[in-house]
Amino acid sequence: RKEVEQDPGPFNVPEGATVAFNCTYSNSASQSFFWYRQDCRKEPKLLMSVYSSGNEDGRFTAQLNRASQYISLLIRDSKLSDSATYLCVVNGQAGTALIFGKGTTLSVSS
Amino acid sequence: GEEVAQTPKHLVRGEGQKAKLYCAPIKGHSYVFWYQQVLKNEFKFLISFQNENVFDETGMPKERFSAKCLPNSPCSLEIQATKLEDSAVYFCASSQSPGNIQYFGAGTRLSVL
Repeated sequence: RKEVEQDPGPFNVPEGATVAFNCTYSNSASQSFFWYRQDCRKEPKLLMSVYSSGNEDGRFTAQLNRASQYISLLIRDSKLSDSATYLCVVNGQAGTALIFGKGTTLSVSS
Repeated sequence: GEEVAQTPKHLVRGEGQKAKLYCAPIKGHSYVFWYQQVLKNEFKFLISFQNENVFDETGMPKERFSAKCLPNSPCSLEIQATKLEDSAVYFCASSQSPGNIQYFGAGTRLSVL
């Protein structure tokens, strides 16, 4: 079983749509959780950290369920500029490497 | 600096040649990480440093790969005798302290012909 699993997509949605990405992780000892965004093989950029209490940043909402080892990302009112690959990322013990999912590709069209 | 700086952007090597990649972390960040991204978005962790000390090298191939972070110099990742399968984008990331967010450089695209 992969340490971090994501549906690769692609998700093709029209502008204005709401889209949800899911991710599961295998190591119950994982401590930190993130969504990164990667455009066209450029560097990954942090989209948001993910907390059990859930967190929201504008059109983006992330949620962590530790019991189910499940992470989600919701994007509301999709924009063309949201087209990218979204990487679910888990950090194990503090200071150790990030473990990446394979990424979910989103394509938003007009 | 304010961002992780990686050089060169692109590197082309013939099989068997040496490749050396450089990374300057964000000023004030003590931790440096190297990742390899091959096709299909697979990121593989290679090695991390705390200042000039190796922190975690569990991802480093046993042969041909080496890395250093020396005081007052960019960190480096060196591949001796490159192979076709070494073709990838190599990303460097830095963080302020353990468990903090890692910020990535723009990567070095290595093509081995």
